[in-house]
Amino acid sequence: NAGVMQNPRHLVRRRGQEARLRCSPMKGHSHVYWYRQLPEEGLKFMVYLQKENIIDESGMPKERFSAEFPKEGPSILRIQQVVRGDSAAYFCASSPPVVGTQYFGPGTRLLVL
Amino acid sequence: QQQVKQSPQSLIVQKGGIPIINCAYENTAFDYFPWYQQFPGKGPALLIAIRPDVSEKKEGRFTISFNKSAKQFSLHIMDSQPGDSATYFCAASKETSGSRLTFGEGTQLTVNP
Repeated sequence: NAGVMQNPRHLVRRRGQEARLRCSPMKGHSHVYWYRQLPEEGLKFMVYLQKENIIDESGMPKERFSAEFPKEGPSILRIQQVVRGDSAAYFCASSPPVVGTQYFGPGTRLLVL
Repeated sequence: QQQVKQSPQSLIVQKGGIPIINCAYENTAFDYFPWYQQFPGKGPALLIAIRPDVSEKKEGRFTISFNKSAKQFSLHIMDSQPGDSATYFCAASKETSGSRLTFGEGTQLTVNP
């Protein structure tokens, strides 16, 4: 049973470009969460999604950030017009529909030049 | 009220020692308290978790102690090994399906040979 998969593992963007981060949950998991980890800090919740629905986006910055989890395919975290402050590790986690334990992927490390 | 406070920020012990990491929470609605272990460049991995109906849980060399009245919980690592050197995060959530995790700031543990 493959774990949570994220790609790319590393992403370099210049200021003003767009970043797209992908997450495939564990088999049988229908809940996806995105967290951001700034250097030397803990993980901060960004958004929680189920298939085709955003359930809780209270941790998402109001501008430039969006997330989706389509019926088919991976969940996508999209950052438009990236700025240097967006440089961080972005982790996706998934959980099954009944039990709340979250399992994390390896993360995408975004560097904005 | 959503915060989880973790201490110490860093910890150095000798092989065989028993490092203890402490966390405190404010939100009495939290009812699920996992600990995650993170190695550099990797995603957080679930280590052990506890619910407030028990005061202690042990899995292998890892033990969680839980004090509901004080709203505190701690991780003990018995017979620590150099391979335990990692960053440890406590977290808390409401264990309904789809609940966000609130993380502590993390503790960087170094176990010297």
